[in-house]
Amino acid sequence: TQLLEQSPQFLSIQEGENLTVYCNSSSVFSSLQWYRQEPGEGPVLLVTVVTGGEVKKLKRLTFQFGDARKDSSLHITAAQPGDTGLYLCAGPLSSNTGKLIFGQGTTLQVKP
Amino acid sequence: ETGVTQTPRHLVMGMTNKKSLKCEQHLGHNAMYWYKQSAKKPLELMFVYNFKEQTENNSVPSRFSPECPNSSHLFLHLHTLQPEDSALYLCASSSDSGANVLTFGAGSRLTVL
Repeated sequence: TQLLEQSPQFLSIQEGENLTVYCNSSSVFSSLQWYRQEPGEGPVLLVTVVTGGEVKKLKRLTFQFGDARKDSSLHITAAQPGDTGLYLCAGPLSSNTGKLIFGQGTTLQVKP
Repeated sequence: ETGVTQTPRHLVMGMTNKKSLKCEQHLGHNAMYWYKQSAKKPLELMFVYNFKEQTENNSVPSRFSPECPNSSHLFLHLHTLQPEDSALYLCASSSDSGANVLTFGAGSRLTVL
């Protein structure tokens, strides 16, 4: 059974701090995705990483896919209150379908 | 409207009621999905429809009954639910070319009394 474990589950930091969220599995994934979900809304895709070792940047967010394609990380530099939300990693159960398995999520609170 | 729209946004129902959740996508996608999001649990895939045909039923109890009359609309019919079915039900869609990329609706928050 494929599982995605995210850590930490909860994170409360001050504005301006840096943080890293991890997504780990014992299984190899063809790709991994990161979503952000704000209260009262559905998850919104931030990025998809496909190649082992790949690094993608989205403004202050840096995403990395592990060399073995079993793990990924999300690093936020100088966090802002607008970064507050639930961060979810997800991977496909089978290729080229929307059947995704999700991690349990990391709830981030950035205090002004 | 654009994107994926879900109605109602909030629903409270008794265990003997029958209600339906509706999802509509305006993205021209061919696949639609129901996911369940419960507190402290990862999102769980419930159903997948591709070109109106159900291609996945992830061992969902029969008290949940999906319906996909066309590629733009998806329903989840609910009857004789249990309090543990209270959750956020998320609809999503994807295209063939970006099948792993889901666009989610805002969800329907269901409370079963």
